[in-house]
Amino acid sequence: GIQVEQSPPDLILQEGANSTLRCNFSDSVNNLQWFHQNPWGQLINLFYIPSGTKQNGRLSATTVATERYSLLYISSSQTTDSGVYFCAVSSPNNAGNMLTFGGGTRLMVKP
Amino acid sequence: DAGVTQSPTHLIKTRGQHVTLRCSPISGHKSVSWYQQVLGQGPQFIFQYYEKEERGRGNFPDRFSARQFPNYSSELNVNALLLGDSALYLCASSLHMVIGTEAFFGQGTRLTVV
Repeated sequence: GIQVEQSPPDLILQEGANSTLRCNFSDSVNNLQWFHQNPWGQLINLFYIPSGTKQNGRLSATTVATERYSLLYISSSQTTDSGVYFCAVSSPNNAGNMLTFGGGTRLMVKP
Repeated sequence: DAGVTQSPTHLIKTRGQHVTLRCSPISGHKSVSWYQQVLGQGPQFIFQYYEKEERGRGNFPDRFSARQFPNYSSELNVNALLLGDSALYLCASSLHMVIGTEAFFGQGTRLTVV
């Protein structure tokens, strides 16, 4: 099945810093989503971005499907950005539209 | 509009027992999927249901089963619980099964098996 790798696995930032999270995938995809998991376990949808670039406030994302990667940019980070960020993809070869998740990037933003 | 709702939020069970977890999708959504997330890892796909039929199954033993009801809500059942079944169980809702449909997740049920 499709493999998803996220980097870095852990990231510590000072409040106000910028960061880039990366997601590599091993096959063509028809869905790519970025999620933020809060301390209570809820997965919050950040972007649905199988290709192209999107922006939402301080967050933006770019997916280059032909090169099999996606990037999540966080600018002017805040302590509330702390948590785990997951990239998840579905492939035309997957059953239904099941999502395969990467291992996540654990972000801590210090005040 | 209400998002995906799951119940209960927390559950403690003893090895060998059976558990039923419930999920209500976003209104109008017809597809429900279940995922298991063990500590420190990303969620793993268990089942997908669409229009009350199983449309996908992950690599989980037969102790895991699910169903979807006419109102599109769903139950996940786990028999003969093992300590290793302790995890956060997440339900995802999507509008349909067309390739590339966006998924939305509930807050999860945290199951502890002792």
